[in-house]
Amino acid sequence: DAGITQSPRYKITETGRQVTLMCHQTWSHSYMFWYRQDLGHGLRLIYYSAAADITDKGEVPDGYVVSRSKTENFPLTLESATRSQTSVYFCASKNTREAFFGQGTRLTVV
Amino acid sequence: AQSVTQLGSHVSVSEGALVLLRCNYSSSVPPYLFWYVQYPNQGLQLLLKYTSAATLVKGINGFEAEFKKSETSFHLTKPSAHMSDAAEYFCAVSGNSGNTPLVFGKGTRLSVIA
Repeated sequence: DAGITQSPRYKITETGRQVTLMCHQTWSHSYMFWYRQDLGHGLRLIYYSAAADITDKGEVPDGYVVSRSKTENFPLTLESATRSQTSVYFCASKNTREAFFGQGTRLTVV
Repeated sequence: AQSVTQLGSHVSVSEGALVLLRCNYSSSVPPYLFWYVQYPNQGLQLLLKYTSAATLVKGINGFEAEFKKSETSFHLTKPSAHMSDAAEYFCAVSGNSGNTPLVFGKGTRLSVIA
């Protein structure tokens, strides 16, 4: 199916564990983004990528790692999860005029 | 640098009344502007976008917004609210180069009262 998909949709993990959120898009958009959504903060940019093997930090990158070996995939890794990283995470891809969002991953760190 | 301010974290209107959600932006370059809607447990859906064409932009579900450069505003309106409009609304700005991240406001929750 065409579009942008995130997996898993829901994840519960323990403090200190590593967890990876997956994002896959089928349009071959060059630009991809990771945001986190928290009450009272809206969506904040974590990392973005202009192309395969090109990534850059956003507003709140600490504690996160990204990679982009293929244009269509942009995984986000929490190296050692903390409770403050409990959030809803959205991946997006963008053409020149519009961004398209995945359905989100709700991550709970206990 | 770019930023967005959405005035009012929660707006409540009666069914059939005018909806007005306010958005002011700051941008060092000519902006592209967007309104997204988010229903509970859903992703973000694009309502409308301004990309330097007509300043009055019409979107889905009867919503429209007007880009006012002099006021640095991009307010979202709908003449008559419907119960199904209850959702979270986000205004966002990006640069007009096409390949810059969207910067979001903090959102406005719209409640519609029967």
